Amino acid sequence: QKEVEQNSGPLSVPEGAIASLNCTYSDRGSQSFFWYRQYSGKSPELIMFIYSNGDKEDGRFTAQLNKASQYVSLLIRDSQPSDSATYLCAVMTGGGNKLTFGTGTQLKVEL
Amino acid sequence: GAGVSQSPSNKVTEKGKDVELRCDPISGHTALYWYRQSLGQGLEFLIYFQGNSAPDKSGLPSDRFSAERTGGSVSTLTIQRTQQEDSAVYLCASRYLLATTYEQYFGPGTRLTVT
Repeated sequence: QKEVEQNSGPLSVPEGAIASLNCTYSDRGSQSFFWYRQYSGKSPELIMFIYSNGDKEDGRFTAQLNKASQYVSLLIRDSQPSDSATYLCAVMTGGGNKLTFGTGTQLKVEL
Repeated sequence: GAGVSQSPSNKVTEKGKDVELRCDPISGHTALYWYRQSLGQGLEFLIYFQGNSAPDKSGLPSDRFSAERTGGSVSTLTIQRTQQEDSAVYLCASRYLLATTYEQYFGPGTRLTVT
């Protein structure tokens, strides 16, 4: 079992719809969770981070964390073509010193 | 200010040759990470430096890989006797250790192709 699992996609949603990206992790002791966006040929950039169970909202993005189910998700409201990218879920492990990344979900927002 | 820089941006080398990849972190960032991203894969942790502490080398895939960080700033990742499976994008990231967001800032990467 991989430490951080994501569906590779592609996930296709129409413009204006809600995109839902999911991630599960195996280390029950994980404390911090991150979503990075990576455009093709570019380096990852941080979108959201979440530490506590529940929802965290930032503009059109909402991160959701359920530690009991070892599940973290990212919702993108009013999806735009510019949101088309690969979204990487990352979990902080190793005493807070390193991130373990999933393989990413490719999102395509269609006009 | 300037972001994380990496050089070269692209490197093509023949199998068996040694290569050096350079990372210049954001000024003031004491934590520095190296990752590898193969085609269609997520980021694979390689090594972590924090100040003068011993580096966390737990992600290095073999003893052909080594890295150093001089003066707490610039880092060099060296791959000896390169193999075709070493072909990947090598990403460097730095972090301000006291930042509560734990955000790692990534450089543009070095695309390594071993022929």
